[in-house]
Amino acid sequence: DQQVKQNSPSLSVQEGRISILNCDYTNSMFDYFLWYKKYPAEGPTFLISISSIKDKNEDGRFTVFLNKSAKHLSLHIVPSQPGDSAVYFCAASVVGGATNKLIFGTGTLLAVQP
Amino acid sequence: GAVVSQHPSWVICKSGTSVKIECRSLDFQATTMFWYRQFPKQSLMLMATSNEGSKATYEQGVEKDKFLINHASLTLSTLTVTSAHPEDSSFYICSASNSLAPSSYEQYFGPGTRLTVT
Repeated sequence: DQQVKQNSPSLSVQEGRISILNCDYTNSMFDYFLWYKKYPAEGPTFLISISSIKDKNEDGRFTVFLNKSAKHLSLHIVPSQPGDSAVYFCAASVVGGATNKLIFGTGTLLAVQP
Repeated sequence: GAVVSQHPSWVICKSGTSVKIECRSLDFQATTMFWYRQFPKQSLMLMATSNEGSKATYEQGVEKDKFLINHASLTLSTLTVTSAHPEDSSFYICSASNSLAPSSYEQYFGPGTRLTVT
């Protein structure tokens, strides 16, 4: 049962254009969402996060949008750069308990063409 | 800040032997550490969660006697793969968080360890 889904396994965009990565979730108890960037054979790097009480969070070229009613979030990268080429994972945090466990999506491979 | 290291970065071992992987938080106290494994072109699958000084909590389907986790200090957690088999070959990644910090939801990941069992 995949609680966090990224339906696009890959995305290709031109340098300078906008990259939009999408993520859907099924568990309405998730209260915190994060985006990570990952290169092959490396650990994920934290990019940006958003609390369920917000619908938008912006950090430089990265903006995350959250639509709670649709259980959907997206990551916008503007402008896209070749160095942004990597696999992007969205993750959601499970409410409750002593630890903040993350549930990861399946990832989207972004390729930014020069 | 928030640097997590893993050692070794890659290891090859023979079937039946045990392998220990270390995860260290270098510049913060990791009250909680997580161990993941990732198969090629797949997502990160959480194996277990460990709090410093406590027994690890394993996810459904993960054998706790095979994947021994120790979190003896606020900066070190170890994962030991016992009696390794070729199907244990994978990319193992640890992460750390400080559940007492304001940004406690954020996990900081190590660079991963590639395990190959022959």
